[in-house]
Amino acid sequence: DTAVSQTPKYLVTQMGNDKSIKCEQNLGHDTMYWYKQDSKKFLKIMFSYNNKELIINETVPNRFSPKSPDKAHLNLHINSLELGDSAVYFCASSPGHSSYEQYFGPGTRLTVT
Amino acid sequence: GQSLEQPSEVTAVEGAIVQINCTYQTSGFYGLSWYQQHDGGAPTFLSYNALDGLEETGRFSSFLSRSDSYGYLLLQELQMKDSASYFCAALGEDTGRRALTFGSGTRLQVQP
Repeated sequence: DTAVSQTPKYLVTQMGNDKSIKCEQNLGHDTMYWYKQDSKKFLKIMFSYNNKELIINETVPNRFSPKSPDKAHLNLHINSLELGDSAVYFCASSPGHSSYEQYFGPGTRLTVT
Repeated sequence: GQSLEQPSEVTAVEGAIVQINCTYQTSGFYGLSWYQQHDGGAPTFLSYNALDGLEETGRFSSFLSRSDSYGYLLLQELQMKDSASYFCAALGEDTGRRALTFGSGTRLQVQP
């Protein structure tokens, strides 16, 4: 059983398009996150939701909008994609709010051309 | 603000011991985690230190000194499969908000 799953695994799209990445966890965790990992492997938090409530919203362009329909799902919608959005996006979850132990999904490699 | 420093790359041979250091500047510091990430894979949790001292989990150990704002990950009896990137991550609180901040990662290459 996959603990944290993301779809799609790869996403190639053109500048200006809108795309979504979906994330689901079956661990029963209360908190979910979105991270961005750039080409230098720097892992930076974007958003954190606890029981469907937005907890952390880092300095991220408002073209990025997370949505949590229930505590097992956290989706990421990106409008007007730019070249600089190319990265690997990881979803993660943890039992408590901002826990030291987080479980990561397999990642979505987004390439904007 | 939060910042962590770790070496960008470390090389060692199979069977050897390697230590990956991490220094941090973190407000409202709770503790230090370590994560492993293989190329093309997801970060996976290895260990967490909230208190000073050494925590051992099999071949891997992690150490923390809060007074020195310093920690390290010790990998013993290195195996080829240990070739990966290793991230330290500080759990801290800033402006009432608790979050895990990752270092830039240390790429470990294990050679035969």
